[in-house]
Amino acid sequence: DTEVTQTPKHLVMGMTNKKSLKCEQHMGHRAMYWYKQKAKKPPELMFVYSYEKLSINESVPSRFSPECPNSSLLNLHLHALQPEDSALYLCASSQELAGVFNEQFFGPGTRLTVL
Amino acid sequence: QKEVEQDPGPLSVPEGAIVSLNCTYSNSAFQYFMWYRQYSRKGPELLMYTYSSGNKEDGRFTAQVDKSSKYISLFIRDSQPSDSATYLCAQGSGNTGKLIFGQGTTLQVKP
Repeated sequence: DTEVTQTPKHLVMGMTNKKSLKCEQHMGHRAMYWYKQKAKKPPELMFVYSYEKLSINESVPSRFSPECPNSSLLNLHLHALQPEDSALYLCASSQELAGVFNEQFFGPGTRLTVL
Repeated sequence: QKEVEQDPGPLSVPEGAIVSLNCTYSNSAFQYFMWYRQYSRKGPELLMYTYSSGNKEDGRFTAQVDKSSKYISLFIRDSQPSDSATYLCAQGSGNTGKLIFGQGTTLQVKP
């Protein structure tokens, strides 16, 4: 089962709201990722977790706050977002961060609209 | 110069055609190569993953890597309308988890 699930599928929020995106995988993968994708562009890496520890933060604004409560779950907490943050937010996982087991499997994404 | 160059297309072919999608890369330190298919408003789906030069086949799909030319290709045989999607090539680091994506090629297979 190569499935990564994400909730919600769609989210509309105002600039003063606080919301969270959730990602789950049950493949026993130890690396998990958050990406942001704008229309007609490739995904852009935001955060990387390896063994539940933050490994990479690609200079993402602090209004995005990741959390990895356990090896199967990854959250992205959102606060005081801007309209330009509207995008498809993708979660991915891989068996390991390094070596030959690092192919990444993506979830279906959460389509976020910030009003 | 982008690190992974990919022609965005669009590429339009008749059903049953052989499709060739190509990328070039500049950073030889990233040794892993992936092809993803992405339907409109969906997440990318991993099609092929390879880390060595040569060909790798999976059903109608063949991934080809030429490290001497820094060139990667995806061939789709007997293309179907359901293959209409955006195809993303990606180059992966061996130790950080970073992927460098091409811009994606939009493919349309006409019945």
